[in-house]
Amino acid sequence: DADVTQTPRNRITKTGKRIMLECSQTKGHDRMYWYRQDPGLGLQLIYYSFDVKDINKGEISDGYSVSRQAQAKFSLSLESAIPNQTALYFCATSDPGPKGGELFFGEGSRLTVL
Amino acid sequence: ELKVEQNPLFLSMQEGKNYTIYCNYSTTSDRLYWYRQDPGKSLESLFVLLSNGAVKQEGRLMASLDTKARLSTLHITAAVHDLSATYFCAVEGIETSGSRLTFGEGTQLTVNP
Repeated sequence: DADVTQTPRNRITKTGKRIMLECSQTKGHDRMYWYRQDPGLGLQLIYYSFDVKDINKGEISDGYSVSRQAQAKFSLSLESAIPNQTALYFCATSDPGPKGGELFFGEGSRLTVL
Repeated sequence: ELKVEQNPLFLSMQEGKNYTIYCNYSTTSDRLYWYRQDPGKSLESLFVLLSNGAVKQEGRLMASLDTKARLSTLHITAAVHDLSATYFCAVEGIETSGSRLTFGEGTQLTVNP
């Protein structure tokens, strides 16, 4: 089983609908992240959380919200989806220390907003 | 604000050739990461570089870090088709809320027979 699991893997929805993407991890890491990737572009940080009580906005948080339900779970919500939120979304975890703070990614959730 | 730039963004090369991908960043950092992404897939960690002069090698790929020049390179030796993918560098920057990674735009590598 994957260490970082995202659900759903694919979702097609309509403009105005509320969508939740869920992420769970078994790596025991405190830090969790949500990134967005658009075709041919790099990754943009939406929100990140360094522990259960800590939530921070990233570069492109407008139109999104998050919930850190437990150390292992971090959900991303689109309150009212719009077509330009069509993208590939990645959840990631990290455990920074002397060996570095590399990110460990989930498999991605492909969202299409019609 | 930390900015990370990669070049080239697109690279088409023949099997057996050598080439280098460059990653420049705008503020002081001594931690840099390289990732590989196959089309439609997740990102896979390739290298973790944690100090000035760090060099890591895995197969036909070698990464290095020069923190004084704020530059990392990913060198490809004798390319093979299996190396076709998009390669990202990411730099760890310190912000008021703690450290986090900023990614470059990615270099899409195509290795032709």
